[in-house]
Amino acid sequence: QSVLTQPPSVSAAPGQKVTISCFGSSSNIGNNYVSWYQQFPGTAPRLLIYDNNKRPSGIPDRFSGSKSHTSATLDITGLQTGDEADYYCGTWDSSLSVGSFGGGTKLTVL
Amino acid sequence: EVQLLESGGDLVQPGGSLRLSCVASGFIFNNCAMSWVRQAPGKGLEWVSGISGGGDITTYADSVKGRFTISRDNSKTTLYLQMNSLRAEDTAVYFCAKDPGYSGYDFYFDQWGQGTLATVSS
Repeated sequence: QSVLTQPPSVSAAPGQKVTISCFGSSSNIGNNYVSWYQQFPGTAPRLLIYDNNKRPSGIPDRFSGSKSHTSATLDITGLQTGDEADYYCGTWDSSLSVGSFGGGTKLTVL
Repeated sequence: EVQLLESGGDLVQPGGSLRLSCVASGFIFNNCAMSWVRQAPGKGLEWVSGISGGGDITTYADSVKGRFTISRDNSKTTLYLQMNSLRAEDTAVYFCAKDPGYSGYDFYFDQWGQGTLATVSS
């Protein structure tokens, strides 16, 4: 059971916007940076967002991240069928001294 | 180009041991923390263990503490995971992942290997 909670699935139509949430606590999200990853079946995860809202080079600005108190969100605008994947949030937990990922959210582009 | 190449995954009986390796190239290895992240079949990502750039800081998930040992040889740019007392629930694809920071506490991974499968079954 992860300390970070994500919805199991979200869906939206092509061209629309979707928001994926990640809920934690003061010991993890509340006091540490959040990162987001995209994973296609059978492949390694890819970093989308780090330090709450920064994009690595090569990640389109359709992907954006934010954090407020003990929760974080990943927004994806201008949805494309190629965005169908699993998305994970991750952060450090200062009280437990462990890293954590959310349970993952499957995005379906209808 | 950054490359992370894992190896060592195999089929092993419960109670057995495996040592995973991850050979890194394309970046200054001893400047970067490294982690092992696993994914059981059909499940999500689970962080397993991390080690700082110099190897002086190691951290473990509760699920593997006391059974797994992370280490690194910076002269060989190689990361290791010694897995002992293996259980069926340790069956997973194990990814090595690069953290650009030295300590690992920033906890984000900008490069991942392709993964190696460890199967624990009798």
